[in-house]
Amino acid sequence: QLVVTQSPSASASLGASVKLTCTLSSGHSNYAIAWHQQQPEKGPRYLMNLKSDGGHIKGDGIPDRFSGSSSGAERYLTISGLQSEDEADYYCQTWDTGIRVFGGGTKLTVL
Amino acid sequence: QVHLVESGGGLVKPGGSLRLSCAASGFSFNDYYMTWIRQAPGKGLEWVSYISSYSSDIYYADSVRGRFTISRDNAKNSLYLQMNSLRAEDTAVYYCGREASNSVGYYLDYWGQGILVTVSS
Repeated sequence: QLVVTQSPSASASLGASVKLTCTLSSGHSNYAIAWHQQQPEKGPRYLMNLKSDGGHIKGDGIPDRFSGSSSGAERYLTISGLQSEDEADYYCQTWDTGIRVFGGGTKLTVL
Repeated sequence: QVHLVESGGGLVKPGGSLRLSCAASGFSFNDYYMTWIRQAPGKGLEWVSYISSYSSDIYYADSVRGRFTISRDNAKNSLYLQMNSLRAEDTAVYYCGREASNSVGYYLDYWGQGILVTVSS
């Protein structure tokens, strides 16, 4: 069964870097994912599409501070130079024919 | 510039029906798969359904299969979600989304602003 798993929460200081993790279920380690950001009281926004080789395609207007990488079944979102507006929920999403799957989201707090 | 605007939400009684619409602009609508996602109050994102460019492929989440119907009108650049037999647990903000494609498949790259559906007596 295709599943993506995220830690419920993360925190980092203003100006620092943080690395969020999304883990694909067994047998699906070669799947691509997408990262989405949802700021408080707003709709989600697409950040990037991330492949198993670490290649990624960012959405329109997404700052260079956001980057993606991969290792095995893990997909990472790294945010550098944290700003207050980066405080948000971050969701990873994957897909296969007939199904789309979201992780439970990681709530990022900027200290 | 891509724009997706949902409409048709509101308050409906359990067992009732509602039809959501999503008006698309700024891109060639019939070149893209489209999808519906929902978010219950205080909860995470849940995929609901997707439809291929010319409606040949349609899929639903188990939680809505048999009650919801997705459709599209490429001439009107519009996506729809007919929701029947609504339950309290269908209460959520519903988002429409565009799915782009590349070598690894179809991924959600634009979201609408969302529309609230409340199912309550």
